[in-house]
Amino acid sequence: EPEVTQTPSHQVTQMGQEVILRCVPISNHLYFYWYRQILGQKVEFLVSFYNNEISEKSEIFDDQFSVERPDGSNFTLKIRSTKLEDSAMYFCASRGDGQETQYFGPGTRLLVL
Amino acid sequence: GNSVTQMEGPVTLSEEAFLTINCTYTATGYPSLFWYVQYPGEGLQLLLKATKADDKGSNKGFEATYRKETTSFHLEKGSVQVSDSAVYFCALSEGAGGTSYGKLTFGQGTILTVHP
Repeated sequence: EPEVTQTPSHQVTQMGQEVILRCVPISNHLYFYWYRQILGQKVEFLVSFYNNEISEKSEIFDDQFSVERPDGSNFTLKIRSTKLEDSAMYFCASRGDGQETQYFGPGTRLLVL
Repeated sequence: GNSVTQMEGPVTLSEEAFLTINCTYTATGYPSLFWYVQYPGEGLQLLLKATKADDKGSNKGFEATYRKETTSFHLEKGSVQVSDSAVYFCALSEGAGGTSYGKLTFGQGTILTVHP
């Protein structure tokens, strides 16, 4: 069964450093999403991406965040200058055209020191 | 804006007990409703869904009915197993089209532990 994959599974970085989180969505899906879950809190929507552009973003998704689909298979989330409060589990998800269900990857746990 | 509220956890049950996890929602339109499950060390998996009022979603013995009049989507299972131990998330989506591209709004999650 096709699945969404994410790399790395864990990332530790120093405050102020840039990180790139990578996702490979299900191959025929057209809608892509990033969510995050700070420890002990809700899963929160960050951004959705369709037709090679951001379609919707939350207040959390400020100028330090960016997303890209560089090669037609990967979908990346970049955090330009990490802060302590960016420490969280980051989930990628994808959805097919006309479908309701989003399929999630296993997540990347990011720790900012 | 949209919101989802789940019952406080954690929930601890003995095997074969009856499970209910309450979920209520607030939405401006006619959302689709979902239950996702997260097993230890894994990502979010869709458990079941319902896309319109009075629909019942079911999977692996779990059920939930979309109740528009009470804005609820409570998760139930008649006899839980140790393997059901996980975190359960209720979520809604306004669906694709219009100004929404189907983003999910989640509840806070309920930790379920089932003992033998």
